[in-house]
Amino acid sequence: GESVGLHLPTLSVQEGDNSIINCAYSNSASDYFIWYKQESGKGPQFIIDIRSNMDKRQGQRVTVLLNKTVKHLSLQIAATQPGDSAVYFCAEKAYNNNDMRFGAGTRLTVKP
Amino acid sequence: DAGITQSPRYKITETGRQVTLMCHQTWSHSYMFWYRQDLGHGLRLIYYSAAADITDKGEVPDGYVVSRSKTENFPLTLESATRSQTSVYFCASSGRTSDNEQFFGPGTRLTVL
Repeated sequence: GESVGLHLPTLSVQEGDNSIINCAYSNSASDYFIWYKQESGKGPQFIIDIRSNMDKRQGQRVTVLLNKTVKHLSLQIAATQPGDSAVYFCAEKAYNNNDMRFGAGTRLTVKP
Repeated sequence: DAGITQSPRYKITETGRQVTLMCHQTWSHSYMFWYRQDLGHGLRLIYYSAAADITDKGEVPDGYVVSRSKTENFPLTLESATRSQTSVYFCASSGRTSDNEQFFGPGTRLTVL
């Protein structure tokens, strides 16, 4: 079946460096791709989304890139801070559908 | 501003027992969701509700029952708990179907012995 997945289960970066978290997807029919952040002991928190007809979207210190040719999604975090340490999930969703499908997650650890 | 709350936060039960997990939101959001989170599977949608008295199955509904008599509450019941239902359960809400931002509760860690 079609699914959303991740390239790497863990990522460790130095404080101040940029982080890149990758995600592969296989459902070309999804309208949106979304990133969530989950801190230890908490529920996931929305970070940013991108519509399927876009290839880049920027937020505060984050940028999401979408490459539909290779079905690849990435989240870039600029000047990574200790507070960015968390598990990051990519997800996909159709516009008028409540069934949001999540990937397995990547754990980002920021070293001081 | 309480937002979205879940209770209990931790629960241990035995195989075959009925368990109900509670979810309450104060935003008057129309949509509410139940997910389970297991290592290696991310979050998987169990059930969702578009409004009071309207519920629908998600990806993994078997063994679960939901109801929504009031907009603010969305309880999840395991009628006869099994070990495979040991998981962390998250409730979430959103205002519209088109919303990609769902607001998640803190989760309930359920262990079935």
